[in-house]
Amino acid sequence: EVQLVESGGGLVKPGRSLRLSCTASGFTFGDYAMSWFRQAPGKGLEWVGFIRSKAYGGTTEYAASVKGRFTISRDDSKSIAYLQMNSLKTEDTAVYYCTHYSLGGSYAGYWGQGTLVTVSS
Amino acid sequence: QSALTQPASVSGSPGQSITISCTGTSSDVGGYNYVSWYQQHPGKAPKLMIYEVSNRPSGVPDRFSGSKSGNTASLTISGLQAEDEADYYCSSYTSSSTLVVFGGGTKLTVL
Repeated sequence: EVQLVESGGGLVKPGRSLRLSCTASGFTFGDYAMSWFRQAPGKGLEWVGFIRSKAYGGTTEYAASVKGRFTISRDDSKSIAYLQMNSLKTEDTAVYYCTHYSLGGSYAGYWGQGTLVTVSS
Repeated sequence: QSALTQPASVSGSPGQSITISCTGTSSDVGGYNYVSWYQQHPGKAPKLMIYEVSNRPSGVPDRFSGSKSGNTASLTISGLQAEDEADYYCSSYTSSSTLVVFGGGTKLTVL
């Protein structure tokens, strides 16, 4: 059974940093791209970015709203994906979801339960 | 404003069929067969219901079906059940730098 568990969310002041982790199990982590999405309170879903598998260079892509501030990385030996968030803004407040991502079909097949990040002074 | 346009709400009675539309452009929905649909119950994570326009993941009832015509994709739910009441989001790959776009979501109410 595929499981994705996010951690690291919490309350942080504007301008500060936070790192989210996503621990995966139930599939060969290194073979897949991983993606992060977010959902602001009462709002719709927004793609944040993804990281390709090492077989496809392990490269990353980001939404314009977070490019230059957020960084996605992965540790295949631990089956963990990370989302490093710097220079946080109040508009980054959201539930952040980690997903197993199919680059070939551009869809998120499995989602974690989400972790809430609140950016407030 | 979302890149893809969905109706804010739809409703139907148990046993009926409903269709949710998702309108984009030739740069996203119309240009690629990479439309997916997600179901989200309140306080829960989204769940993939349809991928690549019309494919159902294992475990999704065949009451759920997807299609596309031009720049508009559709999700049809037949034989509505109470547990289908949820928010539904469409998503598509896009050739713009955004790469992945979503609709604003549609709230399905089962009367």
